[in-house]
Amino acid sequence: EAQVTQNPRYLITVTGKKLTVTCSQNMNHEYMSWYRQDPGLGLRQIYYSMNVEVTDKGDVPEGYKVSRKEKRNFPLILESPSPNQTSLYFCASSFMTSGEAEQFFGPGTRLTVL
Amino acid sequence: GENVEQHPSTLSVQEGDSAVIKCTYSDSASNYFPWYKQELGKGPQLIIDIRSNVGEKKDQRIAVTLNKTAKHFSLHITETQPEDSAVYFCAELRSNDYKLSFGAGTTVTVRA
Repeated sequence: EAQVTQNPRYLITVTGKKLTVTCSQNMNHEYMSWYRQDPGLGLRQIYYSMNVEVTDKGDVPEGYKVSRKEKRNFPLILESPSPNQTSLYFCASSFMTSGEAEQFFGPGTRLTVL
Repeated sequence: GENVEQHPSTLSVQEGDSAVIKCTYSDSASNYFPWYKQELGKGPQLIIDIRSNVGEKKDQRIAVTLNKTAKHFSLHITETQPEDSAVYFCAELRSNDYKLSFGAGTTVTVRA
């Protein structure tokens, strides 16, 4: 089954404790992206990757890091989480990099930073 | 990036009635506008999209209209059913960086 998987689905942590949210897709997509969803703000892009070893900032990259060592994986790293990073996070992938192709979203990771 | 304004934020309709969600954008060079549906506990899923060379597109009970002059586009759901209850997001592909800007979302509730 074609899908985007994220782990963990739920995470409660404390300020300053480094964490990683994994993302993996099995559709051989070149484009991958991370979004955060907050009430009243919709989906905002954090980082994206057009291909292996190519990553770039989205609209809200502060406090986040990513890596793209393999085509299928695109982990999101929070080196020192803060309460304002409490949010619902989605990973997405697409077969095209032009932006007009359908983005396939993972099931989401709900993160709470205390 | 510039935001897309989406209205209303919540919408409650009787089963069988129509639902309309409207989005307004500011980038006159934008030419791709998708709509995503997010069911409870799931990620968003593309349901329909429209490009600027057409004014309307239909897929069964769902239709999207685009008015480039007024810079707004709308999602129309006819004969609503309980399974249409979800959060709907409009989006605009920005012409300056080819990234999607999403609206804030509309929570649609279909009353049985």
